[in-house]
Amino acid sequence: AQSVTQPDIHITVSEGASLELRCNYSYGATPYLFWYVQSPGQGLQLLLKYFSGDTLVQGIKGFEAEFKRSQSSFNLRKPSVHWSDAAEYFCAVDPRDSGGGADGLTFGKGTHLIIQP
Amino acid sequence: ETGVTQSPTHLIKTRGQQVTLRCSSQSGHNTVSWYQQALGQGPQFIFQYYREEENGRGNFPPRFSGLQFPNYSSELNVNALELDDSALYLCASSYLGTGDYNEQFFGPGTRLTVL
Repeated sequence: AQSVTQPDIHITVSEGASLELRCNYSYGATPYLFWYVQSPGQGLQLLLKYFSGDTLVQGIKGFEAEFKRSQSSFNLRKPSVHWSDAAEYFCAVDPRDSGGGADGLTFGKGTHLIIQP
Repeated sequence: ETGVTQSPTHLIKTRGQQVTLRCSSQSGHNTVSWYQQALGQGPQFIFQYYREEENGRGNFPPRFSGLQFPNYSSELNVNALELDDSALYLCASSYLGTGDYNEQFFGPGTRLTVL
């Protein structure tokens, strides 16, 4: 079955420290890959996406992610976190074979990021 | 450019009742998708509407139904509410056409509580 795994439910990072959030997917082929952020009481905001090409993609708010086909991973990174980065982070995939997105996005369960002062 | 809006923000219903949630898509978009996000979980795809017809559906029972209107706004209807229907319901709009992938833009959600 197709699935998205975010193995870390919670991560605590000190302000100014680096961050890596893990995401693994299980699909027959490389899907479209996304990272979203959700602040309390808010909807989802797209941080970055990978469709093809360069495996290191840059996003908003200083985030980047690296696609590794051999590991079926799409990990999110940030060199130095800010207190405002505290939020819920979701990895999501869209199977390429649906083309127009009619199967919807499949999300992981999310990683709750806590920033220590 | 107006983003995706949803109403109401919060809603409380009792088991067995019916509920209607509303979504206005972002300007220029013609497709609306609905997701259910239970507490502590990632969003789950309910269905997508394109040109006023259901264009795809996730693993949700028929008591979850929807509509899309000519102005591309949408409604999600849930009949015979169950306690497990308590969740944040997210609407996402996108443009479906030839060529590029249709990135989805999410609204703030409607928090439904079923008692």
